[in-house]
Amino acid sequence: NAGVMQNPRHLVRRRGQEARLRCSPMKGHSHVYWYRQLPEEGLKFMVYLQKENIIDESGMPKERFSAEFPKEGPSILRIQQVVRGDSAAYFCASSPPNLSTDTQYFGPGTRLTVL
Amino acid sequence: QKEVEQDPGPLSVPEGAIVSLNCTYSNSAFQYFMWYRQYSRKGPELLMYTYSSGNKEDGRFTAQVDKSSKYISLFIRDSQPSDSATYLCAMKTGANSKLTFGKGITLSVRP
Repeated sequence: NAGVMQNPRHLVRRRGQEARLRCSPMKGHSHVYWYRQLPEEGLKFMVYLQKENIIDESGMPKERFSAEFPKEGPSILRIQQVVRGDSAAYFCASSPPNLSTDTQYFGPGTRLTVL
Repeated sequence: QKEVEQDPGPLSVPEGAIVSLNCTYSNSAFQYFMWYRQYSRKGPELLMYTYSSGNKEDGRFTAQVDKSSKYISLFIRDSQPSDSATYLCAMKTGANSKLTFGKGITLSVRP
């Protein structure tokens, strides 16, 4: 059973460009969470999605950041007009729809570097 | 005050030592408690998951939760060099809700 997959693993962008990060949840998982890990800081929640729905976006910056989880295909975290402060590791986690086993399993992360 | 506070590190111990890692929290709504291990430049890996006060054991690892004191611990017995990693405590208020993490502590086990 393949784990959570994220791509690309490393992404380099210049200031002002767009970054698109992809996450494919584990097979059978319908819940996706995005977290950001800044250098020397812990993981911070960004957004929680189910298929075609944003459930909780309380951790998302108000501007430039958006996320989606379409009916078909991976979840996408999109950062427009990137700035140096966006440089971080972005992790995706997924969990199954069954509430009794709602453990979040993490992917390997995408490391974004903004030049 | 941060919602979750984790003992600062780094922590270095000799092989075979017992390691104690601790977190405190301020939000009494947290009901589910986890410990994740993260190797350098990898994603977090779930080690322990508990939702009640008391102890839960899994091999060399024991997770302890004290909800009255808002305090959780992870004990590692007979520590091995392969245990060298960053350990993150995490907690949440309900099923399918966001995780709130501690800052993490880096553990080094010397051969």
